[in-house]
Amino acid sequence: QQPVQSPQAVILREGEDAVINCSSSKALYSVHWYRQKHGEAPVFLMILLKGGEQKGHDKISASFNEKKQQSSLYLTASQLSYSGTYFCGTGDAGNNRKLIWGLGTSLAVNP
Amino acid sequence: DAGVIQSPRHEVTEMGQEVTLRCKPISGHDYLFWYRQTMMRGLELLIYFNNNVPIDDSGMPEDRFSAKMPNASFSTLKIQPSEPRDSAVYFCASSRAGTGAIYEQYFGPGTRLTVT
Repeated sequence: QQPVQSPQAVILREGEDAVINCSSSKALYSVHWYRQKHGEAPVFLMILLKGGEQKGHDKISASFNEKKQQSSLYLTASQLSYSGTYFCGTGDAGNNRKLIWGLGTSLAVNP
Repeated sequence: DAGVIQSPRHEVTEMGQEVTLRCKPISGHDYLFWYRQTMMRGLELLIYFNNNVPIDDSGMPEDRFSAKMPNASFSTLKIQPSEPRDSAVYFCASSRAGTGAIYEQYFGPGTRLTVT
């Protein structure tokens, strides 16, 4: 039931792009993306809903593929500050506050 | 506006002792969540409240865990008795009701619990 994130880890040079995927075995209703820096709390990045509604930060983009039961987070022109662990959490229509979280994707951006 | 406040930030205790973690959510937020984070299992939702009422506690591991929210500005998570496998970082998060299903959670800094 826990969504599967891929890749588990990625290393980039500043300015490069990355895609992080979140796949669910259940039909998706909502996908929440958060970033956590080492020793800190997770911070909200984006939420996407079935049907297309979404909310997030301007510099972050993501997609929601209902058929594939997958969401992807797109990090373009990466900056050093993008380093951290990215988590996706999935919710269903019956209980959207109860999120099931993936194990995370570790991203390191080097100069 | 102050963020979510958790105390203590670190707790080291011996097996069998009672542990109480505290959380003050952001003022005006209707929802409060308690999470546990470990390397092996990741981030797990333990329980969440809406307007101080527990809505879903299906993630609470066992009877040793209990949570209360006596008012809109305070919540506790208690473990009694504690065991080494309870060692983890415990996060509290809060959110507004939001618009439809759109909402974002604000996490506190976490409490790192070590049970020896």
